[in-house]
Amino acid sequence: NAGVTQTPKFRVLKTGQSMTLLCAQDMNHEYMYWYRQDPGMGLRLIHYSVGEGTTAKGEVPDGYNVSRLKKQNFLLGLESAAPSQTSVYFCASRSVGQGRQETQYFGPGTRLLVL
Amino acid sequence: SQQGEEDPQALSIQEGENATMNCSYKTSINNLQWYRQNSGRGLVHLILIRSNEREKHSGRLRVTLDTSKKSSSLLITASRAADTASYFCATEGGAQKLVFGQGTRLTINP
Repeated sequence: NAGVTQTPKFRVLKTGQSMTLLCAQDMNHEYMYWYRQDPGMGLRLIHYSVGEGTTAKGEVPDGYNVSRLKKQNFLLGLESAAPSQTSVYFCASRSVGQGRQETQYFGPGTRLLVL
Repeated sequence: SQQGEEDPQALSIQEGENATMNCSYKTSINNLQWYRQNSGRGLVHLILIRSNEREKHSGRLRVTLDTSKKSSSLLITASRAADTASYFCATEGGAQKLVFGQGTRLTINP
């Protein structure tokens, strides 16, 4: 199992450009999350999804959109990038149900620099 | 705003010594989790303690939880150079969402 993978690993954008970050998991997890981590900070939740076709806002959703068209994929979009969105973005997933484990499994991160 | 506050922000000790990190939170929780992050990497789950538990062990890790004080501590015994990393506490209330603290940066000196 690859676990949670993220694409791309690193990206530089100019202010106003758009891009999509892709997260994929092969563990058949129901829940998926997008976080951002700024220097010296913990992770802050951007958006999350509790199942295919559903999304919800987290702590810092402004400037981002998400989609969960397939259970294994969770996309994070920036329609018009701003320098304040320079950060490291992490995706995570977890399972639910009987005997559920609350542990989240994290991807390796995407470093985004907005100039 | 972040739920958890960790103390200290940075900790530097000699190899073989014990390391203790503390986490305080504000609201009621279902469980509290500790994660490790090596430089430039994603987070790795270490241990979970539920709100009705007071202490839990996993190898060289010992976690305590005091819900009356809304605080937790992570003890790493007999530290090794490979333990150098940032450690984050995260609390889960309802809605299966985690709220992370700002982390403790641990350095183990050989």
